[in-house]
Amino acid sequence: NAGVMQNPRHLVRRRGQEARLRCSPMKGHSHVYWYRQLPEEGLKFMVYLQKENIIDESGMPKERFSAEFPKEGPSILRIQQVVRGDSAAYFCASSPRGTGQETQYFGPGTRLLVL
Amino acid sequence: TQLLEQSPQFLSIQEGENLTVYCNSSSVFSSLQWYRQEPGEGPVLLVTVVTGGEVKKLKRLTFQFGDARKDSSLHITAAQPGDTGLYLCGRGGGSNYKLTFGKGTLLTVNP
Repeated sequence: NAGVMQNPRHLVRRRGQEARLRCSPMKGHSHVYWYRQLPEEGLKFMVYLQKENIIDESGMPKERFSAEFPKEGPSILRIQQVVRGDSAAYFCASSPRGTGQETQYFGPGTRLLVL
Repeated sequence: TQLLEQSPQFLSIQEGENLTVYCNSSSVFSSLQWYRQEPGEGPVLLVTVVTGGEVKKLKRLTFQFGDARKDSSLHITAAQPGDTGLYLCGRGGGSNYKLTFGKGTLLTVNP
């Protein structure tokens, strides 16, 4: 997972606040994937983005969650009006081309705690 | 629906012991990946297996892919405390970018 950076590493929010999670992919990688890890559910795919495009958001809740990967800057996963059930570890992964069988390199994650 | 079943869920052993963990599915994998996740960190890819019957070795770790490509195992010889972590198996989706993971085996190796 060397090279994929996520911040913050830990984030505490109260119910109703917004959470913004950032991911900088490995150098040269233009494909970003977000996963969520809940204690009893394991690691699950949320969304796949390329620069300025959302390719697949089938794993992301329809409400309150959004993701972007602008031309410049990190990918952002945004959670509005957080609830306690959003408490989880959120991981970002990146790959160079987004083709099948390609290795995805994971970042260290952001641990979100909603009080 | 849990597509990948991993067993055991928890495993606590003494340093020097051998162990095997398993990953099973009712459907065929085109490829399967094993990851190790240490506490507070993200998953790190250990190996990818593609061919039925394939065996790959990584130092004390031996990975085997079943002939029918529906199951895989990870065997660790002479486990060390540094092997402690969550071992995940994962597979690609139809387009392969959407990884699906099992819930993992949480291994603790006691000194």
